Amino acid sequence: SQQGEEDPQALSIQEGENATMNCSYKTSINNLQWYRQNSGRGLVHLILIRSNEREKHSGRLRVTLDTSKKSSSLLITASRAADTASYFCATDGTSGTYKYIFGTGTRLKVLA
Amino acid sequence: SAVISQKPSRDICQRGTSLTIQCQVDSQVTMMFWYRQQPGQSLTLIATANQGSEATYESGFVIDKFPISRPNLTFSTLTVSNMSPEDSSIYLCSVRGVEQFFGPGTRLTVL
Repeated sequence: SQQGEEDPQALSIQEGENATMNCSYKTSINNLQWYRQNSGRGLVHLILIRSNEREKHSGRLRVTLDTSKKSSSLLITASRAADTASYFCATDGTSGTYKYIFGTGTRLKVLA
Repeated sequence: SAVISQKPSRDICQRGTSLTIQCQVDSQVTMMFWYRQQPGQSLTLIATANQGSEATYESGFVIDKFPISRPNLTFSTLTVSNMSPEDSSIYLCSVRGVEQFFGPGTRLTVL
């Protein structure tokens, strides 16, 4: 299975602190995406990083990708209570099927 | 980007019945994807639906249980057949551009 695993499964931090979530996957990929899901709501796309990229930024978000280790990390700086959500990585393999497989997710709780 | 709508947004169904979920996209797309998200879990891909051909199902999912239609390039349906409480989940359709876009989901509860 291509499914990635995310670490930690759950994370609780204070407002203003940084949050780091890690994603590991099993097969070679073309792209890796990060999503946020607030409780009971839809998925919000955060960042896409291609296999030939090593780092991307978007506002308070920083994503890194290490294809040699088959891993990615999502850093949220200066976290806010509104960042409380589940975060998922999703990868598409290089087999040409164009499907994204989701990781197990990290539940982040930011305490005010 | 793509705007995706799903119907119904939620439903409560009795065991043994079937529910058909509709997915409409505001642009023509070759592939549509159906995912399931069980309570407290991540998303699991059910199948890939291409227009003009049979859907391709992932391991653990079969056509008899989850028949899919793809009559044109903007529309697809997923039917959850002979439902049991274990089918209670959020079902999401998705399309891919550079990014992957998701519909708002259908929250299904089976009693």
